[in-house]
Amino acid sequence: SQTIHQWPATLVQPVGSPLSLECTVEGTSNPNLYWYRQAAGRGLQLLFYSVGIGQISSEVPQNLSASRPQDRQFILSSKKLLLSDSGFYLCAWTQFRDGQIYSNQPQHFGDGTRLSIL
Amino acid sequence: SQQGEEDPQALSIQEGENATMNCSYKTSINNLQWYRQNSGRGLVHLILIRSNEREKHSGRLRVTLDTSKKSSSLLITASRAADTASYFCATDGQAGTALIFGKGTTLSVSS
Repeated sequence: SQTIHQWPATLVQPVGSPLSLECTVEGTSNPNLYWYRQAAGRGLQLLFYSVGIGQISSEVPQNLSASRPQDRQFILSSKKLLLSDSGFYLCAWTQFRDGQIYSNQPQHFGDGTRLSIL
Repeated sequence: SQQGEEDPQALSIQEGENATMNCSYKTSINNLQWYRQNSGRGLVHLILIRSNEREKHSGRLRVTLDTSKKSSSLLITASRAADTASYFCATDGQAGTALIFGKGTTLSVSS
């Protein structure tokens, strides 16, 4: 069966510090991978998605970046965190399908990282 | 861009009662999905309903879709305390883009 792991579960960082959140998927090959941010009481905002190694699509311009160094690894980074970067960050995957993303596929989420910026 | 909006924002019921949550959207869709999120956890996929379907069932869950009214509803029958969670609908964005999630309905089921 497929599993998705995110770490760390919680993180407290000072403003201006760097960030690295990691997400890995097991039990499937060539997954489509997604990073979302969820602010308190709000829905999910798609930040990045990837359909393959080294292929990153950005949905929202910000001071965050994403990378996919391996097939089942997705990393969210920042060089200098802002207060507005606080939130709950979720990684998700869908099955590979001809190198594109489709809205008719169920998404499978990790348990998230709670990021607090001081 | 916001597509689906859930209503009500919060719902409190007793165990054994039915819970109904609604989702309205603005533009035509190809499909609509419902997810559940327990506090502090990731989202779990519940049901996907296509635009040519009117109703789908999964255990105690019943989802309806009315494309003429651009709305969907999620009914949970005989609610349990374990159903306490936030429920989100998610719809197509523009063609070829990812899902767009609403802000969710927070359901509290008390015993």
